[in-house]
Amino acid sequence: NAGVTQTPKFQVLKTGQSMTLQCAQDMNHEYMSWYRQDPGMGLRLIHYSVGAGITDQGEVPNGYNVSRSTTEDFPLRLLSAAPSQTSVYFCASSSTGNLYEQYFGPGTRLTVT
Amino acid sequence: QKEVEQDPGPLSVPEGAIVSLNCTYSNSAFQYFMWYRQYSRKGPELLMYTYSSGNKEDGRFTAQVDKSSKYISLFIRDSQPSDSATYLCAMSGSRLIQGAQKLVFGQGTRLTINP
Repeated sequence: NAGVTQTPKFQVLKTGQSMTLQCAQDMNHEYMSWYRQDPGMGLRLIHYSVGAGITDQGEVPNGYNVSRSTTEDFPLRLLSAAPSQTSVYFCASSSTGNLYEQYFGPGTRLTVT
Repeated sequence: QKEVEQDPGPLSVPEGAIVSLNCTYSNSAFQYFMWYRQYSRKGPELLMYTYSSGNKEDGRFTAQVDKSSKYISLFIRDSQPSDSATYLCAMSGSRLIQGAQKLVFGQGTRLTINP
């Protein structure tokens, strides 16, 4: 099992560009989520999904879109990148019965100039 | 006010010391209390979790939850240099409640164990 995979590992964007961060899991988990991690702020939830076709907003959803067409994939789209979106992004998954045990991907380090 | 507060440290202690990490929270609906460990440039991984109040022990690690005070702790006994990492507390409500299926994390405490 690869667990949770994220691509790319690093990305530099210019202000106003758009891009998609990819996340995939091979554990047949229903629950998937995206977090951003900034110094002194911990992990903040951006969006989450409890199953294919179902998504909901987290704490900091503005500027991000998600969709969940399959159980395995949960891409995060940045619509028009801003310097405030410079961060480390983590995708996580779990079974809905064990939300406390989130499996995290290795992260994507994004810099917006 | 943040729902979960955690002292970000950094905390530096000598090898073999007992380490105490703490979080406070404001949402009385939280039922699950977790501690995640994150090594540098890696994703967090679950260390321990506790449901409702009480203590839970796993080797050198002990998690405590005091719901009356809205306070949780993680103790590390006989700390080792390999325990050097950032420790994040996390909490969630009952998964059976609509909209409660999300984890709220503390800011994380960076811990260094010096040989």
